[in-house]
Amino acid sequence: SQQGEEDPQALSIQEGENATMNCSYKTSINNLQWYRQNSGRGLVHLILIRSNEREKHSGRLRVTLDTSKKSSSLLITASRAADTASYFCATDEGGTSYGKLTFGQGTILTVHP
Amino acid sequence: DAGITQSPRHKVTETGTPVTLRCHQTENHRYMYWYRQDPGHGLRLIHYSYGVKDTDKGEVSDGYSVSRSKTEDFLLTLESATSSQTSVYFCAISLTIYNEQFFGPGTRLTVL
Repeated sequence: SQQGEEDPQALSIQEGENATMNCSYKTSINNLQWYRQNSGRGLVHLILIRSNEREKHSGRLRVTLDTSKKSSSLLITASRAADTASYFCATDEGGTSYGKLTFGQGTILTVHP
Repeated sequence: DAGITQSPRHKVTETGTPVTLRCHQTENHRYMYWYRQDPGHGLRLIHYSYGVKDTDKGEVSDGYSVSRSKTEDFLLTLESATSSQTSVYFCAISLTIYNEQFFGPGTRLTVL
């Protein structure tokens, strides 16, 4: 079963707007990661946030983590057409699941020029 | 930079035939993974390896086997392919202690 559930399933915006994607999960985690996938390609790691962190930035990306609500959000600011892709959250539960990630079903982001 | 190659990149086969997919990494990363990606299911872990000859099952391991006789190669075998195994298969390696993963380009498998 999927650990991460993402919302929305699809998001369509104009260039220059901000895009926010949300991820909810069910169990305790060591860290949560976000990946991007361009059509027909493999996933690319974007950013990782550890369970003891609340917010992290990388360029135009901002990730928040609320462990009490078991949720995370990915914000892409000033979006560009090149940001069009699918975005996945992935959780690292550690413990008996050490070494494994569980991926959500993804959000399809379309940025119109 | 970590490099992963997957072969073949595309394959069409018939139900009941055996199929082996190969993942090759250019560095000595310990952890390697096989995932399948299907519409509506995201990525699901099939098997993973934490060292030579050390493998374990993932979420959707039925119908698949793996082998890792060398650090750089991780093979995924479908002993008798079924149409439900039509999918895109991705290999990945873990780059850091936080399990940030680097993915290969994928293999598109069609079972007729």
